[in-house]
Parts: sequence; structure tokens; C-alpha cells
Amino acid sequence: NAGVTQTPKFRVLKTGQSMTLLCAQDMNHEYMYWYRQDPGMGLRLIHYSVGEGTTAKGEVPDGYNVSRLKKQNFLLGLESAAPSQTSVYFCASSPKRDTQYFGPGTRLTVL
Amino acid sequence: RKEVEQDPGPFNVPEGATVAFNCTYSNSASQSFFWYRQDCRKEPKLLMSVYSSGNEDGRFTAQLNRASQYISLLIRDSKLSDSATYLCVVNMGTSGSARQLTFGSGTQLTVLP
Repeated sequence: NAGVTQTPKFRVLKTGQSMTLLCAQDMNHEYMYWYRQDPGMGLRLIHYSVGEGTTAKGEVPDGYNVSRLKKQNFLLGLESAAPSQTSVYFCASSPKRDTQYFGPGTRLTVL
Repeated sequence: RKEVEQDPGPFNVPEGATVAFNCTYSNSASQSFFWYRQDCRKEPKLLMSVYSSGNEDGRFTAQLNRASQYISLLIRDSKLSDSATYLCVVNMGTSGSARQLTFGSGTQLTVLP
């Protein structure tokens, strides 16, 4: 099993550009999450999903959208990137328990 | 006040030392507790869950004090490979059945030869 994978691993955007980050898991987990990690701030939840076709806002959802059309995939979209969205983005998944399994992260720089 | 607070460190200790980290959380209704480990430029990985009775996994011991709302992690006989950032994580159970975790900022540990 690959576990949780994220695409791409690195990306540089210009302000105003859009992009989609893809998260895929092969563990048949119900729950999936998108976090961002910034120095000194820990992981902050952007959006999450409790099942296929459902999404909900987390702590810092502004400027992001998500979709969960298939159980194994969770997409994070930035419609108009801003320098404040420069961060490391982690996807995670979990069964109906607490333990979350993380992907390797995407390092995004917005110029 | 942060919901989950940790001493950021860094803690620099010699090999073989015993080191302890503490973490406090703000929500007394919090349901479950964990320590995650994060290596430099890598993803967080579960180190251990924290149970009310305390639990041990090899050289690692975790304790929970609900009355004082703090969690601790003790590492005995430190190894070079223990160098990492340790994240205190709490499920505050604030959103229905969703398993939302709140992460501390992490405590950085460097074990020196």
C-alpha cells in the first residue's frame, strides 16, 4: 500500500494564479483532511471530509476550496493564490478513529 | 491563549539522557490525546496515544493529567535517532462526529553524540 500520496511535491506560483493539490489514499479511510503548516504555528486545519461527497470548513478555510468526488481522493484548490498562502500543505486520512495518517506534503511558494 | 501549548525548545541533550516534554490544553472536554513525531521536512507520524492510566512503549512513556489539563512525554536513554520535533495533539471533540485534531506547535529535540 502506498498510504497517503500528494501531488505535486513542490510548486511555485505567481500571485493570482490557480492550482489544485491532489491527495490520494489507498486505505479505504472515511475521513480526509487538508492542513497547512507554517513556522511556529503548528498544523492548522483548512478543510476536511467525513465521506465521499461531503466537505466541511476547518480553522482556516478562506481562499481554499475542496472536493471529494471519490472516496480515495481529496482535492484542495487555490483559485487566486496570494503570498500568504506560501506554506507546506499536508493531507491526512483516518478511519473512524482518531489516528491520522499523513502524506509527504506539498511545498508551495507564492511570489 | 493557544488551545494546545508546548515549550518550543529547542532541547539539546546528550545521548543516553532522559528528557521530558510537557503540553497543556485549554478544553477540559477534550477526548483523546496523542504524541506525533515530525522529522525535518517530513510529515508527522503517530508516536503514541496517551491514556488516562499512562502508557509506555519501550523508552517512551506518556502521561495524562486531566485535572491539570496537561500531557507529558518522557524519553529515556535518548538516541541520536530521537532527534525530531514532537507534536502534542488533542482531539477536542468540538465538531460532531468529525475526528478533528488540534496540534501544538511542537517541541524540537536534538540528541547530541
